[in-house]
Amino acid sequence: EAGVAQSPRYKIIEKRQSVAFWCNPISGHATLYWYQQILGQGPKLLIQFQNNGVVDDSQLPKDRFSAERLKGVDSTLKIQPAKLEDSAVYLCASSSAATYGYTFGSGTRLTVV
Amino acid sequence: KQEVTQIPAALSVPEGENLVLNCSFTDSAIYNLQWFRQDPGKGLTSLLLIQSSQREQTSGRLNASLDKSSGRSTLYIAASQPGDSATYLCAVSKRNTGNQFYFGTGTSLTVIP
Repeated sequence: EAGVAQSPRYKIIEKRQSVAFWCNPISGHATLYWYQQILGQGPKLLIQFQNNGVVDDSQLPKDRFSAERLKGVDSTLKIQPAKLEDSAVYLCASSSAATYGYTFGSGTRLTVV
Repeated sequence: KQEVTQIPAALSVPEGENLVLNCSFTDSAIYNLQWFRQDPGKGLTSLLLIQSSQREQTSGRLNASLDKSSGRSTLYIAASQPGDSATYLCAVSKRNTGNQFYFGTGTSLTVIP
C-alpha cells in the first residue's frame, strides 16, 4: 500500500509571499487532515476533510490560510500572505473507518524569512 | 478541550536499558490512542494504536498500555538500541470530533551506545 505523499519536502519563502502544499492520501481513505507542527511542539490540527467536505476548520487562520480537497482525493493547503510565525512543518494525514488510526506523510518544512 | 502531557520531555539512557515513556490526558472519554515516532526533520511513523476497548498493544520490543480511568498511557521499550533515538509522540482522539487526534509535545529519547 502506497503511503501518504506530500510535496514539496522543503520550501523557503520571504514573508508576504504565497506558498502551496500538496497531499495525496492513501487510496480509499475518506478522511484527510492537515496539521501544523512548530519546532518543539506537538502537531496541531488545521483542517479536517471527509471526502471533499470540511468537517472542522476551526483552527485554520482563514485570513491567510485556505485548503481544498477536490474530488475527495488530493488536497492543497495554501498560505497567502505568509508570516514569519508560519515557519513550521506541515503534515498531512489520512485515515479510514477501517483503520481508526492515522497515517502521516513525510511533511513539508516551511521556512519564512 | 483535551490536553495531552508527556513526561519526561527528554530522556537519555545507555544502550540495552528498558525504559518507559509516559502520556497523560485530561478527558478520559477517548476513542483511540496512538503512539508515533518522529525522526529529526521527518514525518510521523505510527508505532502502536490502542482502540478504546483495548488495554494494551505490543509490537516487537514495544508495548503500550492504556488506562482510560486514570487518563494515562505508557510506552515501554525493551532493550533499547541507538536506532531507537527519536522523539516519541502520544496522541488521543475523541469519537465526537471525527477521530481528530490531539498530540502531546513528545519525549525526545537518546540511546547512548
